[in-house]
Amino acid sequence: QSALTQPASVSGSPGQSITISCTGSDSDVGSYTLVSWYQQHPGKVPKLMISEDIKRPSGVSNRFSGSKSGNTASLTISGLQAEDEADYYCFSYAGSSIFLFGTGTKVSVI
Amino acid sequence: EVQLVESGGGLVQPGRSLRLSCSASGFTFDDYAMHWVRLVPGKGLEWLSGISWNSASIGYADSVKGRFTISRDNAKNSLYLQMNTLRTEDTALYYCVKDGRWFRDLYSWGQGTLVTVSS
Repeated sequence: QSALTQPASVSGSPGQSITISCTGSDSDVGSYTLVSWYQQHPGKVPKLMISEDIKRPSGVSNRFSGSKSGNTASLTISGLQAEDEADYYCFSYAGSSIFLFGTGTKVSVI
Repeated sequence: EVQLVESGGGLVQPGRSLRLSCSASGFTFDDYAMHWVRLVPGKGLEWLSGISWNSASIGYADSVKGRFTISRDNAKNSLYLQMNTLRTEDTALYYCVKDGRWFRDLYSWGQGTLVTVSS
C-alpha cells in the first residue's frame, strides 16, 4: 500500500484555473471509478468535493471538476477564489476493502 | 442531519490500548459502510480502516493491520476502533466517517477525537 502521489503545492491568482494531479497505479486509480477529492481548511473537517471520479455532490460549487486518464486523476478548480486556499486530498479504492489517500496538495491563492 | 460523535480519545502510554467509539444519528446506520481516518499533526490524512454495513467486508491500512480492530453495532448505531500496542506515531486526530454508500467515498465526517501517545 503506497500513498497516491500529489504535488506538494499548487498556486494561482484569483480567477485563474489550477489542476491538481493524483497518480496511482493499475491496482487502484486505474482499476475503479472510485476516486474522490476532499478539501480541508486548517482546523476544519474535510469536505467531499468530487466523488466517483467526476461527480460533484450537491452543494459543491461547479468551479470544481474531476477527471481521470489511466492511472492519474485530476481535480480542476476554475475561477480561483481566496476561499479555495486549503489542502486537497485525493482518495481511491484499491481493492479488497482497502483505500488510499493521496499525499495532499496545498493550494495557495496569490 | 447526519451526526457522528467520536469519543474515547486521550493521553496513553506507548504499548497500551485505547478504544474509540462513534455514535451515529440522523441516518439509517446499517445502510452504510463506515470508516476511521486520522490526521497526523503537520502531515496528511491517512485512511485506517473501513467496514461494510453488515461487517462482512473489513479492510485495514498496513500501518495498523494486526494492531487495530474495527467493529460496529448496528443495534446501537455505533462504530468502534480498538487500538492495541499504540506507538508514538499513532498520535493524531481520529475521525469517524460515514461512507456515501457501500465503500464509495467519505461522505460525512465527525469532528474527531484526539489521541496522544506519549510516555
